Amino acid sequence: QKEVEQNSGPLSVPEGAIASLNCTYSDRGSQSFFWYRQYSGKSPELIMFIYSNGDKEDGRFTAQLNKASQYVSLLIRDSQPSDSATYLCARGGSSASKIIFGSGTRLSIRP
Amino acid sequence: GAGVSQSPRYKVAKRGQDVALRCDPISGHVSLFWYQQALGQGPEFLTYFQNEAQLDKSGLPSDRFFAERPEGSVSTLKIQRTQQEDSAVYLCASSATGTSGFEQFFGPGTRLTVL
Repeated sequence: QKEVEQNSGPLSVPEGAIASLNCTYSDRGSQSFFWYRQYSGKSPELIMFIYSNGDKEDGRFTAQLNKASQYVSLLIRDSQPSDSATYLCARGGSSASKIIFGSGTRLSIRP
Repeated sequence: GAGVSQSPRYKVAKRGQDVALRCDPISGHVSLFWYQQALGQGPEFLTYFQNEAQLDKSGLPSDRFFAERPEGSVSTLKIQRTQQEDSAVYLCASSATGTSGFEQFFGPGTRLTVL
């Protein structure tokens, strides 16, 4: 079992709809969780981080964390073609240094 | 430019050659990380520095991989006797603090191809 699991996709969502990306993790000691966006051929860029159970909203993005279920999600409202990218879920490592990434979900927003 | 820079952006090596990859972190950033990203996969942790101290090198795949940050700023990842399985994008990231709870800013990466 990988430490951070994501569906590889591709996930196809119509423009203007809500895109829902999901992630599970295995280490119950994980304290911090991140969503990175990576365009093809580019480096990852952080779009959201969350530490506490519940929802965290930033513009069109909402991160949701459920530590009991070891589940993290990212919702993107009013999806735009520019949101088409690979979304990487990651957790803070127990050594308080490294970040463990999932393999990413490819998201495609169709006009 | 205020971002993380890496050089070279592309490197082609013959199997058995040694390579050196450079990372210039954001000025003043304490922490520096190296990751390896294979095609279609997420980045895999290699090693971590806090200032000049290498605090975690658990992700280095073999003793052919060596990293240093002698003055606490620029870092070099060296791969000796390269193998085809070393072909990947090598990403460097830096952050302002020494914990994993703060944003890591990634450089553009170095794409290494071993023939």
